[in-house]
Amino acid sequence: GQQVMQIPQYQHVQEGEDFTTYCNSSTTLSNIQWYKQRPGGHPVFLIQLVKSGEVKKQKRLTFQFGEAKKNSSLHITATQTTDVGTYFCAPFRRAGSYQLTFGKGTKLSVIP
Amino acid sequence: SQTIHQWPATLVQPVGSPLSLECTVEGTSNPNLYWYRQAAGRGLQLLFYSVGIGQISSEVPQNLSASRPQDRQFILSSKKLLLSDSGFYLCAWGGALAKNIQYFGAGTRLSVL
Repeated sequence: GQQVMQIPQYQHVQEGEDFTTYCNSSTTLSNIQWYKQRPGGHPVFLIQLVKSGEVKKQKRLTFQFGEAKKNSSLHITATQTTDVGTYFCAPFRRAGSYQLTFGKGTKLSVIP
Repeated sequence: SQTIHQWPATLVQPVGSPLSLECTVEGTSNPNLYWYRQAAGRGLQLLFYSVGIGQISSEVPQNLSASRPQDRQFILSSKKLLLSDSGFYLCAWGGALAKNIQYFGAGTRLSVL
């Protein structure tokens, strides 16, 4: 599968601060998905990026796919305690199996 | 709408005992099905996936096996559990009908003691 590295592994922010997590690949990706897993919960799909340089927004969340399609980022503006959880990026491989290869995730803690 | 059920939610098993975790999907046909394991505080490791009844692909050789006896049923098994089998097991469905998205069940927390 297509391996990705996520940084940072952990991030502690004060409520109201911004947060960014990065997803990097050594190879060109055809697409990337982002998932959020709340503590004790299961991963939930957030977004899929396909086009080079694509930017998508969901309220306070901004997702970007790099021009070279080798990296992606998730930026949260003015974090809230509801943003707590682990954010995973995952390149998607169609080829019959529709497999996702999850990064190790970035665990976000928000201090109220 | 589609739903995915996974049970049990929590399981404590002694070393050497067998394991059977079940996952069923409702509201869709011929889904791709996946079993993942997540060690405490770690990422998701794909264990098995299935594109159809009786078709199982293994990603990681280990003490576990999977079966798909029916279109919307996916079972994870072990004949003898090891301590290292402890973790959070997640079932997911996806594929073309899901528009490439994977939908996860609530997961089973397995502790092998």
